[in-house]
Amino acid sequence: AQKVTQAQTEISVVEKEDVTLDCVYETRDTTYYLFWYKQPPSGELVFLIRRNSFDEQNEISGRYSWNFQKSTSSFNFTITASQVVDSAVYFCAQLTGETSGSRLTFGEGTQLTVNP
Amino acid sequence: EPEVTQTPSHQVTQMGQEVILRCVPISNHLYFYWYRQILGQKVEFLVSFYNNEISEKSEIFDDQFSVERPDGSNFTLKIRSTKLEDSAMYFCASLPGRREQYFGPGTRLTVT
Repeated sequence: AQKVTQAQTEISVVEKEDVTLDCVYETRDTTYYLFWYKQPPSGELVFLIRRNSFDEQNEISGRYSWNFQKSTSSFNFTITASQVVDSAVYFCAQLTGETSGSRLTFGEGTQLTVNP
Repeated sequence: EPEVTQTPSHQVTQMGQEVILRCVPISNHLYFYWYRQILGQKVEFLVSFYNNEISEKSEIFDDQFSVERPDGSNFTLKIRSTKLEDSAMYFCASLPGRREQYFGPGTRLTVT
């Protein structure tokens, strides 16, 4: 069974600090996809990134970067020079299998608060 | 850019009433989903729908729930007799294939 663990329930930082959100996943599948979503206070789910299990290259997008390590089953997310607008709940999620209709399994989420 | 839309944005209903939550997926997508998020909790899978039938459902998706694609564009989630614990945000999602799931903005259901 798939499982996604986000051990950090809440993180609070001061603006301009770097912050890393941890994500550990479990799966027996060799093909899977990992995602990060942002949920701002308005409630919608904003897609941030998707990685597949065959691509361990780290990715950087502006102030965001992701570190995918299969050896530790982790897919961590770093925000550099955090801003108040980054305050949100961040969810890590996993999609496994090749069958149609495969579900996303979400972690519990990390509430990030960036203080001015 | 095409978006998944959901109506209504907020629905208030009394316990025992039937509700229908509506979603318009992106037009060329093939797979459709409903997820639920109880306030302050994680997002949970309810059901997936492909080729006009349910392809997978979770243990949450009991006989009180049903899904339909009545006219080839809308995708609905019906709760027959709502309970207090059905209060949650309900997200619809669609995808063209094995890519990121495009989520709608959600419908907040409040059962009183």
